[in-house]
Amino acid sequence: EAGVTQFPSHSVIEKGQTVTLRCDPISGHDNLYWYRRVMGKEIKFLLHFVKESKQDESGMPNNRFLAERTGGTYSTLKVQPAELEDSGVYFCASRGTGGRGWPFFGPGTRLTVL
Amino acid sequence: GQQLNQSPQSMFIQEGEDVSMNCTSSSIFNTWLWYKQEPGEGPVLLIALYKAGELTSNGRLTAQFGITRKDSFLNISASIPSDVGIYFCAGQWSGTSGSRLTFGEGTQLTVNP
Repeated sequence: EAGVTQFPSHSVIEKGQTVTLRCDPISGHDNLYWYRRVMGKEIKFLLHFVKESKQDESGMPNNRFLAERTGGTYSTLKVQPAELEDSGVYFCASRGTGGRGWPFFGPGTRLTVL
Repeated sequence: GQQLNQSPQSMFIQEGEDVSMNCTSSSIFNTWLWYKQEPGEGPVLLIALYKAGELTSNGRLTAQFGITRKDSFLNISASIPSDVGIYFCAGQWSGTSGSRLTFGEGTQLTVNP
């Protein structure tokens, strides 16, 4: 079974540019999460999808961040325009429904804003 | 929001030594988790704890859910070089839905052969 995949693995952009991160969850997982870790800090929750619906987006930093999950499969996270403080590692995680299962994490996308 | 204080931030040990790290919170959590992240990978779940006082082992790893529900520790016995990585504690609070997790800042573990 393939795990959670994320693309790209690294992205270096200039302040003011736009970047789109992609996450492909484990097949059949309805729950999809985005988290972010800025340098040396904790991994912080951004938002949670159940299928194509946003269940909880209370962790999104501001309106420069837009997450979508059209069709309830893969998800994208767009940052527009990017600021220096957006640099960090963006993790996607997915989880099936029911039970005590916990999210499986992808390898992350390392975003550097110059 | 809720915060987890994880310590130490980093550890440098010799192979064969035991390791201990812990997390504390000002808030009560219903579940405590411990994850390990290796370079280029995402966090991988090591141990999940569901009840206050619970002590759970996974090989050389042992973790406990504090009685107050505000803390947890992770011990690694007889460390080996492949234990290198960043260890994160995480908690889930009953006031959040959908398995949303609150993470600590991580403990960077280096094991010298």
